[in-house]
Amino acid sequence: KAGVTQTPRYLIKTRGQQVTLSCSPISGHRSVSWYQQTPGQGLQFLFEYFSETQRNKGNFPGRFSGRQFSNSRSEMNVSTLELGDSALYLCASSFWTGAAGELFFGEGSRLTVL
Amino acid sequence: QQQVKQSPQSLIVQKGGISIINCAYENTAFDYFPWYQQFPGKGPALLIAIRPDVSEKKEGRFTISFNKSAKQFSLHIMDSQPGDSATYFCAASFMDSNYQLIWGAGTKLIIKP
Repeated sequence: KAGVTQTPRYLIKTRGQQVTLSCSPISGHRSVSWYQQTPGQGLQFLFEYFSETQRNKGNFPGRFSGRQFSNSRSEMNVSTLELGDSALYLCASSFWTGAAGELFFGEGSRLTVL
Repeated sequence: QQQVKQSPQSLIVQKGGISIINCAYENTAFDYFPWYQQFPGKGPALLIAIRPDVSEKKEGRFTISFNKSAKQFSLHIMDSQPGDSATYFCAASFMDSNYQLIWGAGTKLIIKP
């Protein structure tokens, strides 16, 4: 069974640009969650999508957005990038929504903002 | 009431020793407490989880101890091995689809040969 796939794995952007990250969940999983991981802040929850609907949202500004497609693949977008957006962005898929299910994480997309 | 405090931030243990990581939570209604393990360059993966109806759960060399009255739970790694070197995250939540996990800040564990 293929795991969670995130693309791209690494990317470098400059301030003010926007970025789109992609996540393909494990087959059969309908929940996709996104997390921001930084050395000082640990894992910060961005949002969760289940069956194309946003179920939960963390405390991030509106520059961070996401969506989920009918095949459960998900994208997240960050507009008007800031230096502080440099982080590892992790995607996790789950069979269940919310905290009820085991999260299966991808290897992440490492974003550097210059 | 939604924080999970994890300590220590980093930990160095000799091979064969016992590694202990502690977490404290505030919301007494939480009923699901997982631990995730993350190796460098990888995403976190579920290691072990406990519900509050038991005080201890053991899987191989990994044990969760749970103290409901103190609102604390801890991860014990017996006979620690260099391959256990990783970052460990505790989390807590309601076993409910309307809630997300509340994560601890993580503990970087290094096992010295």
